[in-house]
Amino acid sequence: DGGITQSPKYLFRKEGQNVTLSCEQNLNHDAMYWYRQDPGQGLRLIYYSQIVNDFQKGDIAEGYSVSREKKESFPLTVTSAQKNPTAFYLCASTMDSNTEAFFGQGTRLTVV
Amino acid sequence: QKEVEQNSGPLSVPEGAIASLNCTYSDRGSQSFFWYRQYSGKSPELIMSIYSNGDKEDGRFTAQLNKASQYVSLLIRDSQPSDSATYLCAVGRYKLSFGAGTTVTVRA
Repeated sequence: DGGITQSPKYLFRKEGQNVTLSCEQNLNHDAMYWYRQDPGQGLRLIYYSQIVNDFQKGDIAEGYSVSREKKESFPLTVTSAQKNPTAFYLCASTMDSNTEAFFGQGTRLTVV
Repeated sequence: QKEVEQNSGPLSVPEGAIASLNCTYSDRGSQSFFWYRQYSGKSPELIMSIYSNGDKEDGRFTAQLNKASQYVSLLIRDSQPSDSATYLCAVGRYKLSFGAGTTVTVRA
């Protein structure tokens, strides 16, 4: 089955701790994205990557970091610098920047 | 100015009526336009994609694009309770940007 897999589905972070959210796709898509969604809000772009070993900041990149060492993988690290990380995080991929996005099932991150 | 703006909701329509959703975008060079539906706690799912000016129909859904006015809309005909969800407009060029969404409630 082709698709995008995000893990874990639920994640709890202590204050001051870094956590990494996993995103893997087997669709052979070039572009991958990370979005954050707060309750009742739309999707805000954190980082995106159009090709391996290259990525760009989105609208709310502060406190986050990414890597794109493999075409299939685009992990997101939420660092301790992100002061309000509790949110629903969605990973998506597209064949290119002008085609439809396929989404993972999301990771719900909560600070405890 | 936000890159993608949607009409504020929530939008409440009676069953069987037409729901009309609007979206404007700021980048005149945008090349691709999408409507996604998102149920609470779930990932967005694609309803429609449109790339050229005019109308595109798929079942009860019609997307309309006007690049000169930088405007894209979605009509949902014969609205059903299962259409109750948040609808997200997305616009693509070098990246894919989303609007804040419009929540639609269909009253039985």
